[in-house]
Amino acid sequence: DAGVIQSPRHEVTEMGQEVTLRCKPISGHDYLFWYRQTMMRGLELLIYFNNNVPIDDSGMPEDRFSAKMPNASFSTLKIQPSEPRDSAVYFCASSNGTDSSGANVLTFGAGSRLTVL
Amino acid sequence: DQQVKQNSPSLSVQEGRISILNCDYTNSMFDYFLWYKKYPAEGPTFLISISSIKDKNEDGRFTVFLNKSAKHLSLHIVPSQPGDSAVYFCAASLNDRDDKIIFGKGTRLHILP
Repeated sequence: DAGVIQSPRHEVTEMGQEVTLRCKPISGHDYLFWYRQTMMRGLELLIYFNNNVPIDDSGMPEDRFSAKMPNASFSTLKIQPSEPRDSAVYFCASSNGTDSSGANVLTFGAGSRLTVL
Repeated sequence: DQQVKQNSPSLSVQEGRISILNCDYTNSMFDYFLWYKKYPAEGPTFLISISSIKDKNEDGRFTVFLNKSAKHLSLHIVPSQPGDSAVYFCAASLNDRDDKIIFGKGTRLHILP
């Protein structure tokens, strides 16, 4: 398996533009998480899905952010309109729930670095 | 409100010595704790976990200790190697109630030659 695939790896855009980040989870994983990494706040959980259904979106900063998972192999995180404070690295991660030890181990993608000018 | 806290942003350790990374948490209901390691331009990768019913878990050079009464865990790396230089994230979950996994801000470990 190629792991969790994220695109684009880098995105530079101007304030006010729409940004769409994409994620392909590992096949067979039924959990998908979106995190944002910044220096100030570390790794923040934005939203997670189970079996394509959004379970908890309490971490989504505001209405400008939305996430969808139309099928088991694809998810998007959209920011519209984007603002400079949205500049961060956005990670997607997937898992198949708890492993034999009981821990829910996530496999992360390489991240999408977003810069909003 | 940070439920998982890593109060040391960075740590420098001599190669061959022991590295100790610390993590504190506030929610006594967390039932699993995990450590992830992250290199630049890559996503975090899983390192080691511990259940709340244990106080120690060991995997090769890596050992995690859990002190539930103090709501504190630590990751010990011994001996430290140059390839251990990375950012280490502590994470916690409430598996029986929720599938959320909450991360700390991370500690950057520098292994000095």
